[in-house]
Amino acid sequence: AQKVTQAQTEISVVEKEDVTLDCVYETRDTTYYLFWYKQPPSGELVFLIRRNSFDEQNEISGRYSWNFQKSTSSFNFTITASQVVDSAVYFCALSPPYGQNFVFGPGTRLSVLP
Amino acid sequence: DGGITQSPKYLFRKEGQNVTLSCEQNLNHDAMYWYRQDPGQGLRLIYYSQIVNDFQKGDIAEGYSVSREKKESFPLTVTSAQKNPTAFYLCASSIDRPRGQVTEAFFGQGTRLTVV
Repeated sequence: AQKVTQAQTEISVVEKEDVTLDCVYETRDTTYYLFWYKQPPSGELVFLIRRNSFDEQNEISGRYSWNFQKSTSSFNFTITASQVVDSAVYFCALSPPYGQNFVFGPGTRLSVLP
Repeated sequence: DGGITQSPKYLFRKEGQNVTLSCEQNLNHDAMYWYRQDPGQGLRLIYYSQIVNDFQKGDIAEGYSVSREKKESFPLTVTSAQKNPTAFYLCASSIDRPRGQVTEAFFGQGTRLTVV
């Protein structure tokens, strides 16, 4: 069975602080894909990153960075110098290499205060 | 602009009535999905379709039905058999790749359904 855990239900930070959102996953597949999505108040999910299980390189995109640790089954997301516009619910998701069945975590609500 | 359009944005339904949520995409994606989101919970898969005229049940299909008569359209009907239909419904689509190549899904803006 596949499962995604996001232990942090809600996080509040002050603008310009760095913040890390945790994601821990469970799967028996040796090949799998991990995703992060952002859900702003408008409701739609915005794709942020996709990573396959064979690529453990960390990735940086502007103020966003992702740390994939296969040994601990974690795929954490860090926002550097947070901004008010980063306020949203962030979802981590897992997919097997077949079909297209994404398993989502419960989400972390991030509030960035001015 | 390419994207996924869900309508309506807000929907109210009386108990015992069926209601249909619309989802249209012009991204030329083969695969389409319906998810349900409840407060404080992640997204749960209701149905998905990888090709026209074919669809599969997801984790919580009971009380829901879908059709896929056109590639662009994947409407969801919430039937009176759904015990607790009040929720936020999200439609998504993705490119359907051969086994072993999973791509990201793109989402619509959602429909908030309230049973009154």
